This record gives sequence, structure tokens and C-alpha cells, in this order.
Amino acid sequence: DAGVTQSPTHLIKTRGQHVTLRCSPISGHKSVSWYQQVLGQGPQFIFQYYEKEERGRGNFPDRFSARQFPNYSSELNVNALLLGDSALYLCASSSTDRGPEAFFGQGTRLTVV
Amino acid sequence: GENVEQHPSTLSVQEGDSAVIKCTYSDSASNYFPWYKQELGKGPQLIIDIRSNVGEKKDQRIAVTLNKTAKHFSLHITETQPEDSAVYFCAPFEEGTYKYIFGTGTRLKVLA
Repeated sequence: DAGVTQSPTHLIKTRGQHVTLRCSPISGHKSVSWYQQVLGQGPQFIFQYYEKEERGRGNFPDRFSARQFPNYSSELNVNALLLGDSALYLCASSSTDRGPEAFFGQGTRLTVV
Repeated sequence: GENVEQHPSTLSVQEGDSAVIKCTYSDSASNYFPWYKQELGKGPQLIIDIRSNVGEKKDQRIAVTLNKTAKHFSLHITETQPEDSAVYFCAPFEEGTYKYIFGTGTRLKVLA
């Protein structure tokens, strides 16, 4: 079975641009969460979606948005990119919205120049 | 909000020795406590987890112990091997906000 897949794996953008990151959860999983991991730190929660509804939102500005599609895949959008948005963006998949067990993809490395 | 502390931040052990990493959390409503291993350039990998109704769980060389009263849980790795070298994160699940709160990470080096 395929695990969580994220695309692209690497991305370079210029300040002010927008970016769309994609995630496909494990087959049968209905929950997708997004995390931002800055170099040297632990991942920080951005969003959780379950059954296409937003269930949780972290402390990130409105430039960050996400959605979940009927096939449970998800997109994370970031507008007006800042240098500080450079990070590894991780997608996690789980069968429920209640936590156990979450499996992470390999991440998308975003560099803003 | 939830505060999660992890100790130590770095740990070097000789191959074959044991390693212990401790995680302290503040949200008494947390009921699910996983540990993740992250290798360079990869996403976090779930290696073991424990729920609040259990005090200890073991899976081969890896074990997790939970003290819910004291609000801490620990990762124990026995007979360490070079491939255990990685960054380890604890990440208690915060029920009210549907999120994992990751600790600051522990860089484990197993010296051959």
C-alpha cells in the first residue's frame, strides 16, 4: 500500500508569490493535517481536515489556507510568500480526527528567495 | 496552550547501550502519546505510541512508559544500533484542537 504522498518534493519561490502544495492520504484515511517544520525545530500544526471539513487551525496568518477534496486528498495554499515561510511542509494522514495514528509524508521543502 | 518539553536535546551512546528520552507535557486532557523518529530529509515516522489507560508498551527494542499523574512519558531504546541515529520527537495529541504538539526534539547519535 502506498503511504502518504506529497508533491512536489522541492520548490523554490520568490517573495510575494503564492504556492500550492498537494497531499494524498493513505487509502481509507479520511483525515489530513498539515504541519510546518522550520529547520532545527519540531513540526508546528497548521490545519486539520476531516471529511472535507476544517476541524482545527493553528496559529498561522490568513495567508495560509487549505482544502480537502471528495477523494480526501488535500491542498495547502500560501499567498504572499515571505522569506520566513521557508520550511518543510508535512502532511499527515489518519483514519479519524481523534489523533491515533497519524502517518506523515516525506514533506515538501519550500524555499522562498 | 499546550507546552511540551523534551530532554535531553542531544544524546550520544555507544552501540549496544540503552537510550532514554523524556517528554513532559501540560495538557491534562491529552490521551494519546506517540513518539516519532525523523531521519535527515524525511518526514517523521511513527515508531511507538501509548494511550492513557496503559502505563507501558513495548515493541522489540523500543518501549514507552507513561506517568499521567506526573504528565510525562519516556522513550526507551535498548541495544542501540547505528541506524537508530536520528532526531526523535514526542507529540502528545491535544484533544480539543485536533493537533499534535511536537516537542523540541532529541538528536540521538549511536557511536559504532
